[in-house]
Amino acid sequence: RKEVEQDPGPFNVPEGATVAFNCTYSNSASQSFFWYRQDCRKEPKLLMSVYSSGNEDGRFTAQLNRASQYISLLIRDSKLSDSATYLCAVKGWHTGNQFYFGTGTSLTVIP
Amino acid sequence: EAQVTQNPRYLITVTGKKLTVTCSQNMNHEYMSWYRQDPGLGLRQIYYSMNVEVTDKGDVPEGYKVSRKEKRNFPLILESPSPNQTSLYFCASSVTGQGINSPLHFGNGTRLTVT
Repeated sequence: RKEVEQDPGPFNVPEGATVAFNCTYSNSASQSFFWYRQDCRKEPKLLMSVYSSGNEDGRFTAQLNRASQYISLLIRDSKLSDSATYLCAVKGWHTGNQFYFGTGTSLTVIP
Repeated sequence: EAQVTQNPRYLITVTGKKLTVTCSQNMNHEYMSWYRQDPGLGLRQIYYSMNVEVTDKGDVPEGYKVSRKEKRNFPLILESPSPNQTSLYFCASSVTGQGINSPLHFGNGTRLTVT
């Protein structure tokens, strides 16, 4: 079973829409969670860490659900510039503190 | 500017010709790692290093070597490249491999084609 799984999409949404992605992880011992953004096969860039109580950064909200073992990313008021692939990553003692990444969810924001 | 620098950005080579992809970070990070990214498979870890002179295999280490003689550098060596090593490679670093809240910072990637 994969450590991390994501719906690959694609998600095609109009400008201004709200869109949410989920990412499930297989091991309850996972301790750290992150969302990355990747443009057109460029390097992944850290979007935000995900904290237990949930956290927000402008239009982006990340949440962690330990009971169901998933993290989510909510994007409000989508902009054309949000078009990208979003990768989730998990890390924990059970992985030797190594990161495991999902395969990414593709988002296209349409004018 | 804090960054992870990889070179070259693009490389086309032939089967069996040894090559090295360099990676350097200027953030004094302890932890460094190499990933390859292939369509449908996502990012897979090749090797990682928790600190100088300490390296370990990731999930897909076959056909690769690494070294960590200095804190800032973590080169990836392909002794005898094969076409199945055609991929997009990323080097990454973080402050520490021990801390659970240290995110990874990626280099800008090396697109390798082996013919």
